[in-house]
Amino acid sequence: AQSVTQLDSQVPVFEEAPVELRCNYSSSVSVYLFWYVQYPNQGLQLLLKYLSGSTLVKGINGFEAEFNKSQTSFHLRKPSVHISDTAEYFCAVSDNDYKLSFGAGTTVTVRA
Amino acid sequence: NAGVTQTPKFQVLKTGQSMTLQCAQDMNHEYMSWYRQDPGMGLRLIHYSVGAGITDQGEVPNGYNVSRSTTEDFPLRLLSAAPSQTSVYFCASSYRGGGTGGHEQYFGPGTRLTVT
Repeated sequence: AQSVTQLDSQVPVFEEAPVELRCNYSSSVSVYLFWYVQYPNQGLQLLLKYLSGSTLVKGINGFEAEFNKSQTSFHLRKPSVHISDTAEYFCAVSDNDYKLSFGAGTTVTVRA
Repeated sequence: NAGVTQTPKFQVLKTGQSMTLQCAQDMNHEYMSWYRQDPGMGLRLIHYSVGAGITDQGEVPNGYNVSRSTTEDFPLRLLSAAPSQTSVYFCASSYRGGGTGGHEQYFGPGTRLTVT
């Protein structure tokens, strides 16, 4: 069984400042790791994913994440946020393609 | 290419009523799943299907039924609605492909259900 812990439920940040969203997972098998974003009143959209290989993964909209196997973490970062990055962000883990286990989500609010 | 579509967008039910949430995808994906989203709990898997005629339970299946008669459609049925089923419901689909997995799931826009 897998579980995901997102360590921050809310992250307020000023425009053009960096942001880091923390995600830890537990699993007894090799997993695939994902970050999804949900803009207000919309469905989920994939930001990036880690399957294997390089531990630094680049995604859309300037986001990147680093996989750390020893710390079982997959933290998401963006060096400079925009107002349009205001959204809820979900970390998810899976060992197949049809069952995702999600964290509780982190709400990012970007202020001018 | 519409992707994953869900109907209705909003629904209000009275306790004890039944209804079906519709989900369809036009990407010829083998895998389809239903999740519910509740505040502070992320998304939880209700049921999933790995192909037409094959379904299985997820984390929170009680009170819900599914069937998969075609590749495209995966309806979710609420048998007797309860206030605890007030939630936002998302349908998702993904490609099976070959070799290693890790294919992304594509999500529909969601159905917001209120049970009074």
